[in-house]
Amino acid sequence: AQTVTQSQPEMSVQEAETVTLSCTYDTSENNYYLFWYKQPPSRQMILVIRQEAYKQQNATENRFSVNFQKAAKSFSLKISDSQLGDTAMYFCAFIPFSGTYKYIFGTGTRLKVLA
Amino acid sequence: EAQVTQNPRYLITVTGKKLTVTCSQNMNHEYMSWYRQDPGLGLRQIYYSMNVEVTDKGDVPEGYKVSRKEKRNFPLILESPSPNQTSLYFCASSGRQGARDTEAFFGQGTRLTVV
Repeated sequence: AQTVTQSQPEMSVQEAETVTLSCTYDTSENNYYLFWYKQPPSRQMILVIRQEAYKQQNATENRFSVNFQKAAKSFSLKISDSQLGDTAMYFCAFIPFSGTYKYIFGTGTRLKVLA
Repeated sequence: EAQVTQNPRYLITVTGKKLTVTCSQNMNHEYMSWYRQDPGLGLRQIYYSMNVEVTDKGDVPEGYKVSRKEKRNFPLILESPSPNQTSLYFCASSGRQGARDTEAFFGQGTRLTVV
């Protein structure tokens, strides 16, 4: 079975500091996509960053970057210069290239940025 | 504007009273799905559809029905709601595997309470 594990239910970080959210996954697939989604109190699901498994280079989007370790099946999210607006639930998600085209989500990490 | 429109945003109903949550997307996406979000469990897929008239069960389909008569619409039907279906529901759409639009676009969410 394919699974996504987020081992940190809650985290906090001081404003302007850096925080890393962890995500591991289990799959026998070789080609897939990985995502981090942000869910602020408004409940809207917002794509933060995406990584294609066949790309070795880690994806970056402004203050957000990932550390993708394919062999270790690890996909952590680093948020630099944390801002109060980063306070949200963060979900790691995985989708294989083949099969039923189903997104598999982790259980989420609730991040609170402290002023 | 590319979007997934989901209605209603909030719904309180009584046990056994049939209800429908609507979902519509304007991006001509082939793939649509429904998820429920529960604390500590993340997002779990209820049903998905690969295209018009093609639907299949996700991980938690019991008590739900869907239909895909048009490409843009994918309603979720609860024929006889029960209190254990109290949850936050999301509709999502995306393109097709291998395409650049693998990113899932989510609706605004429906907070359903069954009393």
